[in-house]
Amino acid sequence: DAKTTQPTSMDCAEGRAANLPCNHSTISGNEYVYWYRQIHSQGPQYIIHGLKNNETNEMASLIITEDRKSSTLILPHATLRDTAVYYCIVRARNTGTASKLTFGTGTRLQVTL
Amino acid sequence: NAGVTQTPKFRILKIGQSMTLQCTQDMNHNYMYWYRQDPGMGLKLIYYSVGAGITDKGEVPNGYNVSRSTTEDFPLRLELAAPSQTSVYFCASSPQGAGGIYEQYFGPGTRLTVT
Repeated sequence: DAKTTQPTSMDCAEGRAANLPCNHSTISGNEYVYWYRQIHSQGPQYIIHGLKNNETNEMASLIITEDRKSSTLILPHATLRDTAVYYCIVRARNTGTASKLTFGTGTRLQVTL
Repeated sequence: NAGVTQTPKFRILKIGQSMTLQCTQDMNHNYMYWYRQDPGMGLKLIYYSVGAGITDKGEVPNGYNVSRSTTEDFPLRLELAAPSQTSVYFCASSPQGAGGIYEQYFGPGTRLTVT
């Protein structure tokens, strides 16, 4: 699976958009970009995933660059409850074995008043 | 649905003791996983299972054992506990989606201290 690079920490004012970057310059053509987050002392929570097109769901938007070497997770209106560690993970489509996610250290997002 | 449940929430073990961490999911997911998370670090995969009766090693399997006799349950066994096994343990499950793309659902974790 491709390696990812994320900033260690970021701050965001409540109500503003939080833009979390992720570099994955060695991504392969069949690898997807996943985002999870982990609120303090809880289990990780799936947010969104994409291959090459931009994706949006009720939680967030995922913007993937045309060359697929980087992506940005956007929380459109961050709230205090969005304070968490955000993990960007790249892995290939399932080929019959289990989806083994490799978590790095992620970005610690602090949303402030 | 309760989702993924784990017991116990907390446990303190003495060196050399054994214990089983329980994990149950009620979503009829085929795939289940055990991760550990050390302080300030990301998650590391211990073992996983693609269905009842089938298990395989992840990144850090030493010191652990698993079994999968039913779809719902995936217990993790620690034999001869060591201080290096002090960690938070997360169980997860996932369905087998179309095209093989699917998210994992995590339990609340078990915080284990070995002294």
